[in-house]
This record gives sequence, C-alpha cells and structure tokens, in this order.
Amino acid sequence: AQSVAQPEDQVNVAEGNPLTVKCTYSVSGNPYLFWYVQYPNRGLQFLLKYITGDNLVKGSYGFEAEFNKSQTSFHLKKPSALVSDSALYFCAVRDKAAGNKLTFGGGTRVLVKP
Amino acid sequence: DTEVTQTPKHLVMGMTNKKSLKCEQHMGHRAMYWYKQKAKKPPELMFVYSYEKLSINESVPSRFSPECPNSSLLNLHLHALQPEDSALYLCASSQEAGFGNSPLHFGNGTRLTVT
Repeated sequence: AQSVAQPEDQVNVAEGNPLTVKCTYSVSGNPYLFWYVQYPNRGLQFLLKYITGDNLVKGSYGFEAEFNKSQTSFHLKKPSALVSDSALYFCAVRDKAAGNKLTFGGGTRVLVKP
Repeated sequence: DTEVTQTPKHLVMGMTNKKSLKCEQHMGHRAMYWYKQKAKKPPELMFVYSYEKLSINESVPSRFSPECPNSSLLNLHLHALQPEDSALYLCASSQEAGFGNSPLHFGNGTRLTVT
C-alpha cells in the first residue's frame, strides 16, 4: 500500500529565511507526487507536481521541490519565506499500482514570523 | 479565486434534516470528487465520479448520497447526519477521468455543523 509521511507537524521560520517542508513516500511503482497548500477556511491549492524527468520541479509562488528516488523523498522548498506563506501544506502521492488513488500526508503547518 | 465553486459556504443542520451541498466547475474536467476534512487533518476521499458515473465509493455511510447531474455539477445529499459528520466538505475536479497525473482543483468547501 502507498503511504506518505510528513515528519514535522509544524515548521517555524523567520521571514526571509529558507523554508523546507519534508515529505517521504512509499509506493510499489513509479510515483506521481504533489504538493498542495491550504490557507484558513479555504480549499487546497495545487503548488507543483513531479511526474517524470527533471528531479527539481518548480511551482507556484516561488516554491520548488526536489524528487529523490533513493531517499524516497519529495521535500518542498522556498529560498526566502514570506509571512503570507504561513499555511498548512500537504504532500500527496499517486501510484498506478494502487489504482491511482491520491494519498495525502498528515500535513505540516508552516508559521513564518516577521 | 477558485475555479471550483461550492455552495453553501456554511451549513448548520439538525440530525433529522435533509440538505444538499452543491459543486460546480466549468473547466471541462471529466472527474469530480467529494472529500471530507476534519480540522488540521488531511482530506479523506468519499466519492469519485468519472464521466458522470460513480467510480469510487470509499465505503461512505448511506446518509451521504452523491449525484452528478451533468459534467459540470456535483451534489452531495445529506440525511439523518450525526454530530461526528461535522467537517469541511471539499469538492474537487481533475482533467482526466479517474486520477491519472493531472492535479486536483479544489473548491473552498462547505463548513458543515450537525447539531
């Protein structure tokens, strides 16, 4: 069965500092990986995805993520965090071998302090 | 602004009421989804419609009844709910039928409170 782990419930970072949100996954086949962000009282917004190809994926709002097959990780990064990046972030994986169902990680709350 | 529109934004209902949640998308997507989300938790899949036909039901209790009148609309009919059903209900759509590699586009949800 496929699974996703986000080991940190919360990440605190000062504005202007680099932001990293960790994600590891477990699938039986080749994964499709996604990052979503959720602001209070909102739905989830798609940030970026990895399907195949270049391991470094660039997405919306200056975010990027690096796919690392050997470490089965897909960490989300932003070089310089903004206070407005404070939100709940979800990593998700989809595996054809698991019927293409989307599995979410538990979420990481990011707090960017001015 | 989201391209998936959900109404109402908030709903309070008693355990004997019947109500419906509505979702609409005009992106030409052929797959639509209902998710349930509890506070500070990831969304949980409830139903998937592919080309207007129900393709996945994640063993959801029968007090939740989905309906897909056409390719742009998705409803969730509610009847005899329990207080533990209080949650944020999210609708989503994607370009491909089923999941594939296209991302899901979510609405802002309906905050449901069952009293």
